[in-house]
Amino acid sequence: DQQVKQNSPSLSVQEGRISILNCDYTNSMFDYFLWYKKYPAEGPTFLISISSIKDKNEDGRFTVFLNKSAKHLSLHIVPSQPGDSAVYFCAASYSNFNKFYFGSGTKLNVKP
Amino acid sequence: DAGVTQSPTHLIKTRGQHVTLRCSPISGHKSVSWYQQVLGQGPQFIFQYYEKEERGRGNFPDRFSARQFPNYSSELNVNALLLGDSALYLCASSSPGQGQGYTFGSGTRLTVV
Repeated sequence: DQQVKQNSPSLSVQEGRISILNCDYTNSMFDYFLWYKKYPAEGPTFLISISSIKDKNEDGRFTVFLNKSAKHLSLHIVPSQPGDSAVYFCAASYSNFNKFYFGSGTKLNVKP
Repeated sequence: DAGVTQSPTHLIKTRGQHVTLRCSPISGHKSVSWYQQVLGQGPQFIFQYYEKEERGRGNFPDRFSARQFPNYSSELNVNALLLGDSALYLCASSSPGQGQGYTFGSGTRLTVV
């Protein structure tokens, strides 16, 4: 029972353009959402998060948008850089942070 | 500062064998979580330990067990290995209620043949 879904396994974007990665969830009780980035042979690295009481959080080139009514969140990367090429996972948790539910990931390729 | 360290990095085992994976959290982090990542999927929660007590368990069979030691390091044990246990096993540490999520180690790649 996949509670967090990333329906696009891959995305290719030109350097300097916007990358938009999408994530859907089914459980309206989730309080917290995160994005992780993963390079090959490394563990996932925290990127950005958002609480369910907000609808937007921005950190430099990265912005996460949360649409609670649609149970949808997205990660915008502007401008995209070749170093952003990685697998991106979205994750959700309850407020106790005891466990995170991860999506299956989207592989982003930023072309120079 | 050392991050989350996991050992070994790679491991090959035969079906039916037992395996022990080890994890040292970031200094000061008292919570350790274990995740299994099968190829093509996202990490799936196995266990969380805090102050040596189990705080959460995912939907895994009893062949999977873990423990946390007084120095907050942790072991994940898997008995009677199956081919389907082949995966990347990730350990993560965190402080209580940490809004930044976990800090993950690089993982142990387990191959069961």
